[in-house]
Amino acid sequence: DTGVSQNPRHKITKRGQNVTFRCDPISEHNRLYWYRQTLGQGPEFLTYFQNEAQLEKSRLLSDRFSAERPKGSFSTLEIQRTEQGDSAMYLCASSSNLNTEAFFGQGTRLTVV
Amino acid sequence: GIQVEQSPPDLILQEGANSTLRCNFSDSVNNLQWFHQNPWGQLINLFYIPSGTKQNGRLSATTVATERYSLLYISSSQTTDSGVYFCAAEFNTNAGKSTFGDGTTLTVKP
Repeated sequence: DTGVSQNPRHKITKRGQNVTFRCDPISEHNRLYWYRQTLGQGPEFLTYFQNEAQLEKSRLLSDRFSAERPKGSFSTLEIQRTEQGDSAMYLCASSSNLNTEAFFGQGTRLTVV
Repeated sequence: GIQVEQSPPDLILQEGANSTLRCNFSDSVNNLQWFHQNPWGQLINLFYIPSGTKQNGRLSATTVATERYSLLYISSSQTTDSGVYFCAAEFNTNAGKSTFGDGTTLTVKP
């Protein structure tokens, strides 16, 4: 197993464009999490899935953000009509179940110009 | 509200020195993890330690859940230990998601 994989590693986009990120969790991990990290801060929770069900969304996740995990395997995070304030590192993590160790991917660094 | 506080925010050491990083959390936790964030941004797992003490080489960690704190010890520090260290707590009242502290930035000088 190669761990949690995220693509792309870097994304530069113009304000107003849509972007989509992909996360492939560790195989057989039921739980998948998305976090966002801005400079000088710790990661902030965005949303998480138990298999294909999205169980919780943070208030940080505006209507422009949507996440899916259609078959309970990989997940996508889409940001519509990007704004400069969306510039951040987007981190994905997975764990085998509740109350177990979470493992993070390398992250996708988004820059909105 | 629920909080995770890390101290100190910054720490500068000479190579070979020992250090202790602290993480205070405001409520009962289901789990607690320590991470080291590498220069490329990836969070590297150090310890999964909701309670008790664990050791891995020059690093060890202790969580005293009843007193709501965790400590990360780094002995004989090396320049490669430099970076940001985060603790992340999953609270009983917020199961399923972790709350991170703002990190301790460690600089080890040769």
